[in-house]
Amino acid sequence: GDSVTQMEGPVTLSEEAFLTINCTYTATGYPSLFWYVQYPGEGLQLLLKATKADDKGSNKGFEATYRKETTSFHLEKGSVQVSDSAVYFCALRWTGKLIFGQGTTLQVKP
Amino acid sequence: DTGVSQNPRHKITKRGQNVTFRCDPISEHNRLYWYRQTLGQGPEFLTYFQNEAQLEKSRLLSDRFSAERPKGSFSTLEIQRTEQGDSAMYLCASSLGAGRLNTEAFFGQGTRLTVV
Repeated sequence: GDSVTQMEGPVTLSEEAFLTINCTYTATGYPSLFWYVQYPGEGLQLLLKATKADDKGSNKGFEATYRKETTSFHLEKGSVQVSDSAVYFCALRWTGKLIFGQGTTLQVKP
Repeated sequence: DTGVSQNPRHKITKRGQNVTFRCDPISEHNRLYWYRQTLGQGPEFLTYFQNEAQLEKSRLLSDRFSAERPKGSFSTLEIQRTEQGDSAMYLCASSLGAGRLNTEAFFGQGTRLTVV
């Protein structure tokens, strides 16, 4: 079945460091890909998305490119801030439902 | 519109009791989803509705779980004879969709269930 695998966390970085969170997927069709973020005490929020191969999603300085050849959708940010500390979830959707990875906790220290 | 609303936010129940959660989606959204999330894990799909029709249920969903969306608006998720393993955050989401076309899914704050 369809699935999403994320890199293990937690990821601890200093402020202004470069961030990469790896995400790979397995899908039978042509899914849309998403990154969701969950800040402490808050609900899941959509961070960015890409709907077809080679699309780049971007928001709030975060970027991810839909790579069909490597079945990947890695999340990147050039310079993280303390306020980016959260749990990040990669997800795919082919039929109606979203399928999530296990989440990666990011902690950014001043 | 205030987004997806879930009630209650927290529920503590004794093992063996029944519990019911409610989700009010964004008003124009025809699709409604239920997920379960345990600590350190991603949300796990349970079931989803398009209008009042339940289109898909996870094979992991025990027969103690039942969900309804009788008028295609709010939905309820009932767990009968709760077990300690049911302790989790139950999330509801909604979107506007037809076939494989979907708008963004918006999530509620969740209902945290603790079974003691």
